[in-house]
Amino acid sequence: AQKVTQTQTSISVMEKTTVTMDCVYETQDSSYFLFWYKQTASGEIVFLIRQDSYKKENATVGHYSLNFQKPKSSIGLIITATQIEDSAVYFCAMRNTGGADRLTFGKGTQLIIQP
Amino acid sequence: EAAVTQSPRSKVAVTGGKVTLSCHQTNNHDYMYWYRQDTGHGLRLIHYSYVADSTEKGDIPDGYKASRPSQENFSLILELASLSQTAVYFCASSDATGKNTQYFGPGTRLLVL
Repeated sequence: AQKVTQTQTSISVMEKTTVTMDCVYETQDSSYFLFWYKQTASGEIVFLIRQDSYKKENATVGHYSLNFQKPKSSIGLIITATQIEDSAVYFCAMRNTGGADRLTFGKGTQLIIQP
Repeated sequence: EAAVTQSPRSKVAVTGGKVTLSCHQTNNHDYMYWYRQDTGHGLRLIHYSYVADSTEKGDIPDGYKASRPSQENFSLILELASLSQTAVYFCASSDATGKNTQYFGPGTRLLVL
């Protein structure tokens, strides 16, 4: 069975610093997709970035990047030069395979950016 | 602009009553999903659909039905609402490329009394 674990429930950092949020996953599949989503205070859920397991290069979008360590089944989200508006809950997710195009989500990490 | 919309945005229902949550997408996506979110549980999949007139059970389907009358529309139905179904419900859509990047609606806050 697929499983996604985010052990950090809450992180607080100063504005303009770099933060890393951890995520580990379990899967029996050799090929899979990993995602990070952001949920704002208003409740909106926004797709941020995706890592394809067959790609060795870490994905980067704007000031978001991933630290993909396949042997450790780990996909960390790195946010550089954090801004107040980065304060949100961040969810890690993995695409299920086995015939179903479904995502399994972690429970989320709340990020607080302090001025 | 492509989007996923949900209605109503919030609802108060009585125990034992019928509740229908609606979702509409203009992404031209084949796949649609219903999730519920409870504090401490993240997002859990209730039902999903690959194509119109067909639905599949997700991880927590008990107490819920789904209907996909067209590619654009996907409804979640609570035939007999219960207190335990108080939650925020999200609809999402994705294309059929296999990478499954999902795009979410704004959510519906349901309170069952």
